[in-house]
Amino acid sequence: KAGVTQTPRYLIKTRGQQVTLSCSPISGHRSVSWYQQTPGQGLQFLFEYFSETQRNKGNFPGRFSGRQFSNSRSEMNVSTLELGDSALYLCASRGGFQETQYFGPGTRLLVL
Amino acid sequence: DQQVKQNSPSLSVQEGRISILNCDYTNSMFDYFLWYKKYPAEGPTFLISISSIKDKNEDGRFTVFLNKSAKHLSLHIVPSQPGDSAVYFCAASLQETSGSRLTFGEGTQLTVNP
Repeated sequence: KAGVTQTPRYLIKTRGQQVTLSCSPISGHRSVSWYQQTPGQGLQFLFEYFSETQRNKGNFPGRFSGRQFSNSRSEMNVSTLELGDSALYLCASRGGFQETQYFGPGTRLLVL
Repeated sequence: DQQVKQNSPSLSVQEGRISILNCDYTNSMFDYFLWYKKYPAEGPTFLISISSIKDKNEDGRFTVFLNKSAKHLSLHIVPSQPGDSAVYFCAASLQETSGSRLTFGEGTQLTVNP
């Protein structure tokens, strides 16, 4: 089976812009979660989607949003980018009632 | 409030020896624990997990131990190999009716010297 894929892998934006990141889960997995990794805050949970519904949300401002499509692919959007949004954004997928989340390679976002 | 903590930012061991990475947690409701290995600018790679109903799980060179009373888990790697050099994250999960999320520790940089 192919693993979790994320596009793009690298992105440079300027403050105030918005960005959309994409994630394709492992085939058959219906749960997709997003995480942010920064040097100061470590790995932090953003949100989880299951069957096109957001099931869980971390402690991030409303500028961070996401959605999931009927084929389980997910996108996350960050509006009005700030310098502090520079991070590695990771997507993870999980199948059914399994507990293990499998991660994609991440999207490195740099905000200038 | 850091619910999962890895108190050792780094660990250095000789090839062939045992590596022991430690993790403490504060939330007694966590019911599933995982270890991931991560290289810079890559996604974490799943290594091994353990349910809260068990106290040990083994997979090849990797063994995870869970001490619920102490709210402590550890990852043992035997024998350690240079290719094991990476950052190791412990993560805890709370299976809620609304889904689940992983809470990560800060990570421990393991260096295995040839």
